[in-house]
Amino acid sequence: GAGVSQTPSNKVTEKGKYVELRCDPISGHTALYWYRQSLGQGPEFLIYFQGTGAADDSGLPNDRFFAVRPEGSVSTLKIQRTERGDSAVYLCASSLGGGASNNEQFFGPGTRLTVL
Amino acid sequence: GQSLEQPSEVTAVEGAIVQINCTYQTSGFYGLSWYQQHDGGAPTFLSYNGLDGLEETGRFSSFLSRSDSYGYLLLQELQMKDSASYFCALDLSGGYNKLIFGAGTRLAVHP
Repeated sequence: GAGVSQTPSNKVTEKGKYVELRCDPISGHTALYWYRQSLGQGPEFLIYFQGTGAADDSGLPNDRFFAVRPEGSVSTLKIQRTERGDSAVYLCASSLGGGASNNEQFFGPGTRLTVL
Repeated sequence: GQSLEQPSEVTAVEGAIVQINCTYQTSGFYGLSWYQQHDGGAPTFLSYNGLDGLEETGRFSSFLSRSDSYGYLLLQELQMKDSASYFCALDLSGGYNKLIFGAGTRLAVHP
């Protein structure tokens, strides 16, 4: 079946601009996560959705970052007034939710964001 | 807060066995996961230890010792395609699956 998809695969923007990154999770997965990965580092947790609600947004670095999941499926990560330090690969993952016993998250290919 | 430490790089030859260690500091957690990531690819799940001891999945095994704040991933019969980065991650869930990842270990398998 289809995996997690993310669009765009690459996004180049200028400092100060607004960007939206989209994630389509695996059908039926109620849990959705956003991570950010810098070169040579592990994924850094940003936010977790269970259904439509953001159950944990403790990883969002500041109020320029916001994410929504209005219908409990597709999610959009929104970054306002982008800064060069926001450049990274943004990963989306989904899982069955409800505390799946083996903790498996399915990751998308990521969106590489470059802020010039 | 939480922290995890892994070796940055490991080198091995095809057919060999390699162990990637992970030590961590946390006040509480539910389990330790391992993910593989090829260059330019998405992380993929390998293994999860919710309890102390060894979990075996084909050529890969993972171990957890809570008393030692330590875990490892064991890869047997190494193949060239195993060249990738390997991440340990703490599951802080409490009902969901919030993962805190280490910086990763880059494994290079040589013929």
